[in-house]
Formats: sequence, C-alpha cells, structure tokens
Amino acid sequence: DSGVTQTPKHLITATGQRVTLRCSPRSGDLSVYWYQQSLDQGLQFLIQYYNGEERAKGNILERFSAQQFPDLHSELNLSSLELGDSALYFCASSATYLPGQGYNEQFFGPGTRLTVL
Amino acid sequence: AQKVTQAQTEISVVEKEDVTLDCVYETRDTTYYLFWYKQPPSGELVFLIRRNSFDEQNEISGRYSWNFQKSTSSFNFTITASQVVDSAVYFCALTDNQGGKLIFGQGTELSVKP
Repeated sequence: DSGVTQTPKHLITATGQRVTLRCSPRSGDLSVYWYQQSLDQGLQFLIQYYNGEERAKGNILERFSAQQFPDLHSELNLSSLELGDSALYFCASSATYLPGQGYNEQFFGPGTRLTVL
Repeated sequence: AQKVTQAQTEISVVEKEDVTLDCVYETRDTTYYLFWYKQPPSGELVFLIRRNSFDEQNEISGRYSWNFQKSTSSFNFTITASQVVDSAVYFCALTDNQGGKLIFGQGTELSVKP
C-alpha cells in the first residue's frame, strides 16, 4: 500500500459526460501528479500541483482540468468525454519539490479505470 | 527532449533464470533522476528504485540489481533467480531536476513460467 488513495476505482460513463476523479496524497506529501495510461499512448504525464498551485503541465487536453485543495487532495475533471479518453488514470504524490535540489520518488495510487461507452 | 526507450516489449523466462531488462535514456540535463517501477497484473505501480545522475554506483537489493552507465545512457535492471511473482510490466522512467514529471518508457512485460 503506497498510502495514496484514489476514488472511484472504476467508472463507466457515456460519451459527452463529465466525471471527477479524486486523489488523496500520502500524509505530508505536497506534490500531486496525474498520469494517464492507455494502450496506444502508454504512461503519460498530465499535470502537477504543489501545495495548491499548478507547477507543470503535460499533454493535458483542454477538456481536462485539475485542482489541489487546501487539504492537499486533488481532483481531475474530465469533460465532454470521448471514447478515446478510456484509460487508467493514476495519481502520484511525492514528499518534496525543490527546484534545483531534486525531489523524492513518486508513489502511485491504485488508479481509476475510466471506460467511456 | 527527454526520452526513455525499453526495446524489449515482452520477455518470457522459466523460473530461476536470470533476466535483464534494458533501459536507454536521452536527456540534455546534467542532473537527472532514473527510476524503475513494477506494474503487476493487479494494475498498481510500485516504486522499485531511484538513481541520481551523479551517483553511478550500482545497487543490489535482494534478487534485484541495477546497472547505471552514464557513458552508454543506460540503466538496466537484472532479476536473479526469477520467480513467478516477478511476472509484471516493468517501467523505466526519467525526470529532470526541475519539474518532477516522469517520462516513462513503453514498458517490458516479463512473464516468468514455473
């Protein structure tokens, strides 16, 4: 058990709908990362938050957005869903993020499997 | 741009065989970090090791060992005396000293047969 929790574990929805994925980082971790794992794209970085602020963006679609709340949990919002959005979405957290000083390894949650029908 | 290549898509071995998973990376950064993660059939991603670019010492942890060679931009992972429980997809990943995002290779699916 990594200490990172994600809900829900599975989500089945229809095209055009909007869903919210939730992540709670390990106790004390300030950085939260979101990744998408699909068969054709592999594991891809979406977005990073550090202590409530957005720090880095990857190939995240405009239909997707995220935020990190004062209690450090994070939510990933996916809207106008398409069939191609079906994937496993991971949240990860790490202890520190200090530019120029490195950072610690990321610990991953169990993932949310999204199926868009 | 940063890139990680795991040329071996699938490897199949018989229990107790040794197996090496290859990882080659590209980066222009002088300081960077390399990782290996394991994804068993249950789907979670399990952290195995982190290596800093300025530390080329090889590491051994039980049946696992890692060979980091900056000269060839490689960070290979060897499992000695493989077991059925080692069956999983193994990912090599790279990040820089700034953003923290992980760049993953495509993964190597290891199947260990009894």
